[in-house]
Amino acid sequence: DSGVTQTPKHLITATGQRVTLRCSPRSGDLSVYWYQQSLDQGLQFLIQYYNGEERAKGNILERFSAQQFPDLHSELNLSSLELGDSALYFCASSASEEETQYFGPGTRLLVL
Amino acid sequence: GIQVEQSPPDLILQEGANSTLRCNFSDSVNNLQWFHQNPWGQLINLFYIPSGTKQNGRLSATTVATERYSLLYISSSQTTDSGVYFCAVNDYKLSFGAGTTVTVRA
Repeated sequence: DSGVTQTPKHLITATGQRVTLRCSPRSGDLSVYWYQQSLDQGLQFLIQYYNGEERAKGNILERFSAQQFPDLHSELNLSSLELGDSALYFCASSASEEETQYFGPGTRLLVL
Repeated sequence: GIQVEQSPPDLILQEGANSTLRCNFSDSVNNLQWFHQNPWGQLINLFYIPSGTKQNGRLSATTVATERYSLLYISSSQTTDSGVYFCAVNDYKLSFGAGTTVTVRA
């Protein structure tokens, strides 16, 4: 158990819908990262927050957004969902940007 | 961005065999991590190894940062070692290789 929690574990929804994925980092970790794992793109970095502020953006679509709250949990919002958004979404946390990132169990999203 | 290449892409082992997985990266990095993704999709941290050698049970890893590569050694492989092994380098985000899929047969 990495200490990073993600909910829900599985999500099935329809095209055009909006979903919210939630992540709680390890106790004391200020950095939260979101990654997407799809069959054709592999594991890709989406976005990073540090202590509530956005620090880095990767290949994140404009239909996707995220935030980190004062209690340090983070949410990833995916809207206008398309079939191609079906993937495993991971959250990771670390104490600082140079240190080990610990991954949560992931949320498996299926868009039908 | 930094390019990460892993080899081989696939590896089939008989239980008890030893193997070496390789990770090459294109630029200097702050650190490097090895992960094992099990058949249920969980990404499990194996090593945080910016340089040098570390051992954890039957697994060990070596990173030669000046030559931009890292090696993961699996000794006396077991069926529970099956899964995908990822190398990821940190330049303030993790850039992952495509992974090595390991299948250990009983």
